[in-house]
Amino acid sequence: DAGVIQSPRHEVTEMGQEVTLRCKPISGHDYLFWYRQTMMRGLELLIYFNNNVPIDDSGMPEDRFSAKMPNASFSTLKIQPSEPRDSAVYFCASSRDSINYGYTFGSGTRLTVV
Amino acid sequence: AQKVTQAQTEISVVEKEDVTLDCVYETRDTTYYLFWYKQPPSGELVFLIRRNSFDEQNEISGRYSWNFQKSTSSFNFTITASQVVDSAVYFCALSEETSGSRLTFGEGTQLTVNP
Repeated sequence: DAGVIQSPRHEVTEMGQEVTLRCKPISGHDYLFWYRQTMMRGLELLIYFNNNVPIDDSGMPEDRFSAKMPNASFSTLKIQPSEPRDSAVYFCASSRDSINYGYTFGSGTRLTVV
Repeated sequence: AQKVTQAQTEISVVEKEDVTLDCVYETRDTTYYLFWYKQPPSGELVFLIRRNSFDEQNEISGRYSWNFQKSTSSFNFTITASQVVDSAVYFCALSEETSGSRLTFGEGTQLTVNP
């Protein structure tokens, strides 16, 4: 089992540019989550999917953020246009079911917007 | 609304000391789940334990133990005979049955174990 795979590990981009973060969940996991970690706000849920369908996107900061899950093995989180305040570590996690199993997190993508 | 409080921002101990990390939670649900995660300096989040609200038995796994007390809404984590490799940020988290799969994390406790 390769675990949850995120790419890239690090991303540095200029303000105004589009940024796309990628995630491959563990095979067989029906739930996929995107979290953001910052010093100020800690770990916060942005959005999660069940069977590729977005269930709760109330944590998405604003319209500049969008997430998709076109199939069971791939998800993207896009920021357009990016701003310096988007700088954070973005984690993807997957789970076999909603609650009975702990999430498995990816290694995260450290995003720096300059 | 669910809330998790980890009042200890930082803890520093000397190797071989025992250390307890506190976690207090708030929920209106009768069915909920509590978690602990470890985030070492490398940055990944490692799942340690999950406990449901109907199981108040304490759990021990090697040097790790967890004390769940519904009466005080606490789910504390103790490391016995701490080691330098235990140095990490530890997060307590809560998921309510009525909130679906949303995990709410505490602020985290930075544990430093000095040799």
